[in-house]
Amino acid sequence: DVKVTQSSRYLVKRTGEKVFLECVQDMDHENMFWYRQDPGLGLRLIYFSYDVKMKEKGDIPEGYSVSREKKERFSLILESASTSQTSMYLCASSLGFTGWNTEAFFGQGTRLTVV
Amino acid sequence: QKEVEQNSGPLSVPEGAIASLNCTYSDRGSQSFFWYRQYSGKSPELIMSIYSNGDKEDGRFTAQLNKASQYVSLLIRDSQPSDSATYLCAVKFSGGYQKVTFGTGTKLQVIP
Repeated sequence: DVKVTQSSRYLVKRTGEKVFLECVQDMDHENMFWYRQDPGLGLRLIYFSYDVKMKEKGDIPEGYSVSREKKERFSLILESASTSQTSMYLCASSLGFTGWNTEAFFGQGTRLTVV
Repeated sequence: QKEVEQNSGPLSVPEGAIASLNCTYSDRGSQSFFWYRQYSGKSPELIMSIYSNGDKEDGRFTAQLNKASQYVSLLIRDSQPSDSATYLCAVKFSGGYQKVTFGTGTKLQVIP
């Protein structure tokens, strides 16, 4: 089974802190994604990566950065956490440019609260 | 802005009935369509994918795609209380990398 593991299930941080969310996948997938999920807004893409050291902005990249130094690991960084970044963060991975099947496998999510 | 639209619900159906979930999308060139199920407090999990016009059946689930109308639906036959969840429609738009855009989801409640 594909496994996508996020480092924390729950996290509480203070405003202005630098926050790191880690994600690891074990299926050698090329693509990795960070989403945030908020009530009424659904899943919104923050950043994605299609290869090591490669990254692309999603729909809401402001206030975030990412790092992908190894294929299996994709990190989301909140440079200076704000209360507006309180949310559920979901990491996902999928195969690369192979046909039309872009099924995404999700991690268990990190519930981040910024106080 | 390419969009995926879903009615947020809740959609309530009695146990044993057919639940019909609908989704429209804005990009006519879209090629790949997915339905994810998300239980409360859990991550989304893929239940159906569809790539060509028509119906695709998998057990109690049927996905229907109409590219001309830019419409994709999910039918759940013999609905069970365990089907109560939020159903997310996801679309891979034409061009760009292998990323999909999600709708906001429809909450389904199956009443015993």
